[in-house]
Amino acid sequence: QSALTQPASVSGSPGQSITISCTGTSSDVGGYKYVSWYQNHPGKVPKLVIFDVSYRPSGVSSRFSGSKSGNTASLTISGLQADDEGDYYCTSYASIGTYVFGSGTKVTVL
Amino acid sequence: QVQLLPSGAEVKKPGASVKVSCRASGYTFTSYQIHWVRQAPGQGLEWMAIVRSKDGSTIYAQNFQGRVTVTRDTSTSTVYMELSSLTSEDTAVYYCVREMADTYYFDYWGPGTQVTVSS
Repeated sequence: QSALTQPASVSGSPGQSITISCTGTSSDVGGYKYVSWYQNHPGKVPKLVIFDVSYRPSGVSSRFSGSKSGNTASLTISGLQADDEGDYYCTSYASIGTYVFGSGTKVTVL
Repeated sequence: QVQLLPSGAEVKKPGASVKVSCRASGYTFTSYQIHWVRQAPGQGLEWMAIVRSKDGSTIYAQNFQGRVTVTRDTSTSTVYMELSSLTSEDTAVYYCVREMADTYYFDYWGPGTQVTVSS
């Protein structure tokens, strides 16, 4: 199972919006509604920010939103803040009960 | 409160095996599945395996088939992950991660166990 494809890095200025893509196949991203996104600050454990493509867990800022079209899912962070810096990973349920992570995207706030 | 307590850091030689544990507390153990995810230095997250809540059955990532074994002990709410034939590429932090049964996302991550493979 190959990792889902994410851009290596995305940057934006405070207050701007950025979008991170996550491209898979019809056997994972395109085949299921089970895409989730995790924020990973250095030295900390990953934190869930989006599940089931577009749902936010309780306590996660409404600045985080998710969507999917075909085999590509996207995470948008609006009103970019300094604390949003870090690595972001998508993951998808795949066939026969397995899961696959994205390659990860480093978000930089300029 | 929810806790996933990992076993301590390990240093192993190439070719050896390692067994890492994860003890759960603060929730109903059998209502949640446990996954193992690893992160090598400077690398991304990699899904390894799941042990299902309802019956303890396991599914492994193709990359680890034949090398990884995950078991659980419901009497102690502990999950074990054993990885064999270690190489330096297995040097990583190994996380146990919780998923409420059949929700398909990871809602709680343990702090991880560092495994170092070095001769």
